[in-house]
Amino acid sequence: GENVEQHPSTLSVQEGDSAVIKCTYSDSASNYFPWYKQELGKRPQLIIDIRSNVGEKKDQRIAVTLNKTAKHFSLHITETQPEDSAVYFCAASAGLDKVIFGPGTSLSVIP
Amino acid sequence: GAVVSQHPSWVICKSGTSVKIECRSLDFQATTMFWYRQFPKQSLMLMATSNEGSKATYEQGVEKDKFLINHASLTLSTLTVTSAHPEDSSFYICSASGRAYNEQFFGPGTRLTVL
Repeated sequence: GENVEQHPSTLSVQEGDSAVIKCTYSDSASNYFPWYKQELGKRPQLIIDIRSNVGEKKDQRIAVTLNKTAKHFSLHITETQPEDSAVYFCAASAGLDKVIFGPGTSLSVIP
Repeated sequence: GAVVSQHPSWVICKSGTSVKIECRSLDFQATTMFWYRQFPKQSLMLMATSNEGSKATYEQGVEKDKFLINHASLTLSTLTVTSAHPEDSSFYICSASGRAYNEQFFGPGTRLTVL
């Protein structure tokens, strides 16, 4: 089955700096890669996603890149703000099939 | 976007009792629903996938007789934790997807505490 790894497990950045989270997946059949932000005690919130026919996608301060050959994908957050502090999960899925989550990255943005 | 609700939001029960958690898609038909469990400071672990009208598919290591899943309609799936024990205490989250959407929508989660 699919296995998703994620690094780093914790990340601290100064407000205004960029944050990068990297993930790898194992199943070449996966073609949908969502990223979720989860605040304590709340549901995961989809912040951006990318499909396998695209190499990069950007939405304001958030961007995601995908290297299907290497089975790598990354989340980039620029101009970080304190409200970006949360746990971020990458995930992989084969379309509408089950979504397998990475272990998560706890991001702290220091004012 | 689509809305998924869960009930109850939290529940405390005694060891040995059973607890039912409901997951509803409020404004779309969910052909598939997923149940996850999340322990503190850990990731979401998929427990099972349920398709309306058919038996759920459980992930390896998840006891199907302990975690009963019923997906009786296109808007409702239930998870029953039978004979709950303290180690079953966790945050249970459902998600739903349907023909109209290419993503899953998560419910708000249910915090289960077994005493």
